[in-house]
Amino acid sequence: QQPVQSPQAVILREGEDAVINCSSSKALYSVHWYRQKHGEAPVFLMILLKGGEQKGHDKISASFNEKKQQSSLYLTASQLSYSGTYFCGTETPGTYKYIFGTGTRLKVLA
Amino acid sequence: EPEVTQTPSHQVTQMGQEVILRCVPISNHLYFYWYRQILGQKVEFLVSFYNNEISEKSEIFDDQFSVERPDGSNFTLKIRSTKLEDSAMYFCASGSGMGASGDTQYFGPGTRLTVL
Repeated sequence: QQPVQSPQAVILREGEDAVINCSSSKALYSVHWYRQKHGEAPVFLMILLKGGEQKGHDKISASFNEKKQQSSLYLTASQLSYSGTYFCGTETPGTYKYIFGTGTRLKVLA
Repeated sequence: EPEVTQTPSHQVTQMGQEVILRCVPISNHLYFYWYRQILGQKVEFLVSFYNNEISEKSEIFDDQFSVERPDGSNFTLKIRSTKLEDSAMYFCASGSGMGASGDTQYFGPGTRLTVL
């Protein structure tokens, strides 16, 4: 039931790109993406609604394919500040239950 | 910018004791949530709350847990008889609408609960 993220962990050099995937076995209304730094609360990055939309914020963008029940987060030209654990969050239609994905640890090296 | 606040930041308690974790959501928000994160693990949904009642709860949210909005501003999570495995970071979140409406959730800084 919990969305599965891949990869589990990734190490990048500053300036490199990364893709984080989130896959659910259940139909989704929306997908949220969060970044959590060690010892801190998750911080909202963006939300995608059904309709296959894409969104972008600075050098971070995401897509949502509701038919495949998948979302991907794209980080381009990564910066040191991108380091953290990324979670997707999903809401199943007909419930008020909000489920976080398994998480992807990303580390950007100088 | 308005933010969600939580108190205390760290709570240490003995097994079997009751604890109350407090949250002040953003003032015009209507939906409230509690999450738990065991150190190094995923964020787990506990409960959602709307219109003064529980909207949804997870399997983790058993009879030992309860939530309340006692005074229109605070939102509390009570654990009646703590167990060692309740040790975790507890996050409160609030939003003005559910995810399907395109709303986001704003997280508080968390309360680290340590059960000895």
